[in-house]
Amino acid sequence: DTAVSQTPKYLVTQMGNDKSIKCEQNLGHDTMYWYKQDSKKFLKIMFSYNNKELIINETVPNRFSPKSPDKAHLNLHINSLELGDSAVYFCASSHKGRNTGELFFGEGSRLTVL
Amino acid sequence: LAKTTQPISMDSYEGQEVNITCSHNNIATNDYITWYQQFPSQGPRFIIQGYKTKVTNEVASLFIPADRKSSTLSLPRVSLSDTAVYYCLVDSNQAGTALIFGKGTTLSVSS
Repeated sequence: DTAVSQTPKYLVTQMGNDKSIKCEQNLGHDTMYWYKQDSKKFLKIMFSYNNKELIINETVPNRFSPKSPDKAHLNLHINSLELGDSAVYFCASSHKGRNTGELFFGEGSRLTVL
Repeated sequence: LAKTTQPISMDSYEGQEVNITCSHNNIATNDYITWYQQFPSQGPRFIIQGYKTKVTNEVASLFIPADRKSSTLSLPRVSLSDTAVYYCLVDSNQAGTALIFGKGTTLSVSS
């Protein structure tokens, strides 16, 4: 079983559309994250949720809205997509406090905005 | 901002030992040093973490001098499959924080 799974793996869409990426973890972790990796391969934290509560919200446009229906799921909804949103989005999870320092990442969702 | 500095890229040949050094001059007392590996089209994967001296696991060794201002990830006898980006991070592992990734070191292993 995949520990952190994201869907879809690839997403191609037009500017102005709204799209969602789903993430699920079966590791029993309390904390989940969304990272964005742009074309320069720079990984940037976007959001973090602990037990369905938003704890980190970096400088991300309001068009991005995370939703955590339960602690095993963290979905990312993006409104009015722009060309600059094209990137690979990674979901990750960890224990609260990350005592071992370990984040478990999903395989990524490659979003292409045309 | 990432609190670490590491080489942008390194080249090696199969069977060689590779040492990637990371500088973290402003490391805090409660910070740990953690390394991640990322293959193309995959998410980063935890390799090793340490606080001081030496840590070894089945994948790599991590050497941390007494002043903790730098660290060295050592990969013994690399193979082609070790070609990846290696990220050095310093982090306090505190709840409510997230790992901040820098640009990493792209290691290319040739035959």
